[in-house]
Parts: sequence; structure tokens; C-alpha cells
Amino acid sequence: QSVLTQPPSVSGAPGQRVTISCTGSSSNIGAGYDVHWYQQLPGTAPKLLIYGNSNRPSGVPDRFSGSKSGTSASLAITGLQAEDEADYYCQSYDSSLSGSNWVFGGGTKLTVL
Amino acid sequence: EVQLVQSGAEVKKPGESLKISCKGSGYSFTSYWIGWVRQMPGKGLEWMGIIYPGDSDTRYSPSFQGQVTISADKSISTAYLQWSSLKASDTAMYYCARGIVVVPAAVEGWFDPWGQGTLVTVSS
Repeated sequence: QSVLTQPPSVSGAPGQRVTISCTGSSSNIGAGYDVHWYQQLPGTAPKLLIYGNSNRPSGVPDRFSGSKSGTSASLAITGLQAEDEADYYCQSYDSSLSGSNWVFGGGTKLTVL
Repeated sequence: EVQLVQSGAEVKKPGESLKISCKGSGYSFTSYWIGWVRQMPGKGLEWMGIIYPGDSDTRYSPSFQGQVTISADKSISTAYLQWSSLKASDTAMYYCARGIVVVPAAVEGWFDPWGQGTLVTVSS
């Protein structure tokens, strides 16, 4: 069971907008720690998509955007394309009694219909 | 170009030892953290731990503390992940990634870029 909770799957038709949620708690996202997002295309290594809640690295299309509020964060993808079909993971920092860790969500599989 | 290149796939038997590597290039290896992430077959990403090659400061996830050892040799810009006695449940893809830490006191940050992954298969 992951510290950050994501929906196992989402889907959308080409051109549509989808959002992926990432729900944490008071020891991670709710404590003010930033959320970062990664895209993992089939058979490849993860790639940074969003850092610091809402910042896009160079080369990431502006169709991808991130936001954070309270104990949750969201990744939005607009103008859905077939090439966006991948697994998406959120990541943050958790400071709890068991120690301090970088934590991932369980991942969300995006299917482009 | 910032790049992390990992060692090749390994097939081992239970009880054997193993050390896999991750070589950084295109940046100052001693100025960034290097983390290790496990991905079991068909599963999600799990943070294992992180090391700062500049001074070998190392942090482990409680889930992996005592199960693996993370180290680095800054003279050859290479980080390592090692096991002393492998189990079948260690079968997974292992990724290294450069850690971008913006809050040094908390070692909080994100990973960019990632290595290509090393597949470790443990089977009798």
C-alpha cells in the first residue's frame, strides 16, 4: 500500500482532458512538501514530467500541468494524444515516525481510447 | 548531456551476492544525490535510498534498510547497489536516478534524469 494514493487507471478519448489525482496526508503533501510527476512509457524508464508541483522541465509539452492543494495534487493532460498512453506516478517527501523518505504513488495507467 | 548508464541485466541464484552500478556523466557527480528505485514485475515504483557522492551521506527507506547497501566511488562517478544474499523476491528492475535536492536539510527533491534500468532475476 503506497503512502500516496492514485487511481489505478483513467481513460480518455483523443483530444479530451483527463486528470490524475494524488492524495497524501499531513506527513507529506499536507506538510507542504512538493509533488513531482513522472511518465513511464511501456518498457522504458520513468521520465520527469512535472517538478515542484507545477513546473515543466524543458521539452515537456504545455498540455501537461500540475497543481497542489491541501493534502492532494493533480496532474492534468489536455488535448490527449495516443502517445500519452503510459503509467504516471506522483512523488513527494514524507516525514513520519518511521523516518524521512521519498515516496511514490502507486501509479495510474492512462489509456487513450 | 546529463546521463546515467547502468550495468547490464543479471541472473543470479538465491543466496548469491550482487553489486550493480550506475555511472554518471555530463555533470558534477559529487554535487548531486543519486537514488535507487525498485520496480517489481508489473508493479509500481518504490524508493530504496539515496546517496550523496560528495561525502557518502546515505539515507535508506525503512523498507530496504539492512536489505541492501548503497555506495559510491566518486573517483569514477559511479554509484552502486548491492546485496549480500539475494532472494527470489529481489527479482525486479532497478533504476538509479539523479536527485535534485532543493531543501538540503531535509534531502527533499525529485529525480531527473533516470538510468535505463538493470533487470535482476533471482531464480534457482
